[in-house]
Amino acid sequence: QQQVKQSPQSLIVQKGGISIINCAYENTAFDYFPWYQQFPGKGPALLIAIRPDVSEKKEGRFTISFNKSAKQFSLHIMDSQPGDSATYFCAAGAGGTSYGKLTFGQGTILTVHP
Amino acid sequence: GAGVSQSPSNKVTEKGKDVELRCDPISGHTALYWYRQRLGQGLEFLIYFQGNSAPDKSGLPSDRFSAERTGESVSTLTIQRTQQEDSAVYLCASTRTGVGELFFGEGSRLTVL
Repeated sequence: QQQVKQSPQSLIVQKGGISIINCAYENTAFDYFPWYQQFPGKGPALLIAIRPDVSEKKEGRFTISFNKSAKQFSLHIMDSQPGDSATYFCAAGAGGTSYGKLTFGQGTILTVHP
Repeated sequence: GAGVSQSPSNKVTEKGKDVELRCDPISGHTALYWYRQRLGQGLEFLIYFQGNSAPDKSGLPSDRFSAERTGESVSTLTIQRTQQEDSAVYLCASTRTGVGELFFGEGSRLTVL
C-alpha cells in the first residue's frame, strides 16, 4: 500500500516533443506529490509539486496532472530539450510536518535527442 | 555552506567492516533525512530528524543501521558489519519545517566488496 508505481522505466523523445511520465499510488493518506529531477552524480532536485486540491499545476514547460479518483498523477514536459535528459522520480508524502518522508517511484530515465 | 554537504563522496569497504557517513545540512534547516538509492532504483527513506524530537527510524532496514544528529547540525549514518547488499548511494536531505521541498546532497557512494 505504500508503493508508488512509475512508468515507463525509460523514455526517448526528440527535441521539441512531449515527454509524459506516469505514476500511480494506493495509499489514500498521501496528500503531497512532488517530482524530482536527478542528473548523473548529483542529488535529486525538486522540479514541481502538487497537492490533491487541484487537478493540474503548470510551471513553465512542466505540468503535473492529478487524478484523485484514479489515484494517478503524471508529469508532462512540453517542448522537451536535450538539457532535460535526466532521471525523473515521482514521489508521494502523507503531510503534517514530515512532508520530507516520501515514497518514491522507481524512476524514469529520459533521453531527449537533438 | 550553500548546500547540503556529504562525505565521503565515495567509500569502498570490505564485508563486515563498519562505515560512517556524514551529512552537513543547510544552515537553518531543522529537518534532516537520510535516503538510500540502490543502482537503478528509487530512493528509500531511512530516517528523519526534526529538531529535538525523537527521530523517525521507521525506514532503517536492520539494526546494523543507526544514525545520530547533534542538535540541528551534522548527522552521521553508521552501518555496522556491512554486507554486499548495503552497496548503494546514501543521500542526505534537509528542509525547513513545514516546507515540502527537500534539498539533497550529492550522496555518498558505498561499495561493499
